[in-house]
Amino acid sequence: QSALTQPASVSGSPGQPITISCTGTSSDVGGYNYVSWYQQHPGKAPKVMIYDVSNRPSGVSNRFSGSKSGNTASLTISGLQAEDEADYYCSSYTSSSTPVFGGGTKLTV
Amino acid sequence: QVQLVESGGGVVQPGRSLRLSCAASGFTFSSYGMHWVRQVSGKGLEWVAVIWYDGSNKYYADSVKGRFTISRDNSKNTLYLQMNNLRAEDTAVYYCARGVPADYWGQGTLVTVSS
Repeated sequence: QSALTQPASVSGSPGQPITISCTGTSSDVGGYNYVSWYQQHPGKAPKVMIYDVSNRPSGVSNRFSGSKSGNTASLTISGLQAEDEADYYCSSYTSSSTPVFGGGTKLTV
Repeated sequence: QVQLVESGGGVVQPGRSLRLSCAASGFTFSSYGMHWVRQVSGKGLEWVAVIWYDGSNKYYADSVKGRFTISRDNSKNTLYLQMNNLRAEDTAVYYCARGVPADYWGQGTLVTVSS
């Protein structure tokens, strides 16, 4: 199973919105509404920010939102804050009954 | 509160074996599927293996199939990863994670494969 495709890096200024894309195929992102997004700060474990394409776990800021169109999912962060600077990974369920991760995107604020 | 604590990492020579453990607490362990995910220093996340809540199904990444075995003991609230015939490219931090999606993660245990 090939990794999902994410931009290596994105950047934005405090208060601005940014969007990170995650492109897969009809066998993963496009075929299931089971896309998750994870935030990882240096030296820390990943934290789920979005699950099932657009659902936000309790405790996650509503500045984080997710969507999907075809084989591409997106994570949008509105009103960027300094603490949002981190690595972000998408993940999708696949036709092999296993998950696959994206290569990760480094967000610089 | 949910806690996942990995152990068993260390330095091992190529071709040798290692068993990782993940002690779970704060939730009904026997109700959740569990994953192992690894991360090479400075690189991205790589899913390694998953086991169903009751151990009935197990799936592996192609990179570890035939060498690694995931298992669980629901009576001990513990997840395991038996790693055989280790290679240098298996060097990574290994995380255990709960559920689908993986909503809780441990802090990881470092495995270094080196002669």
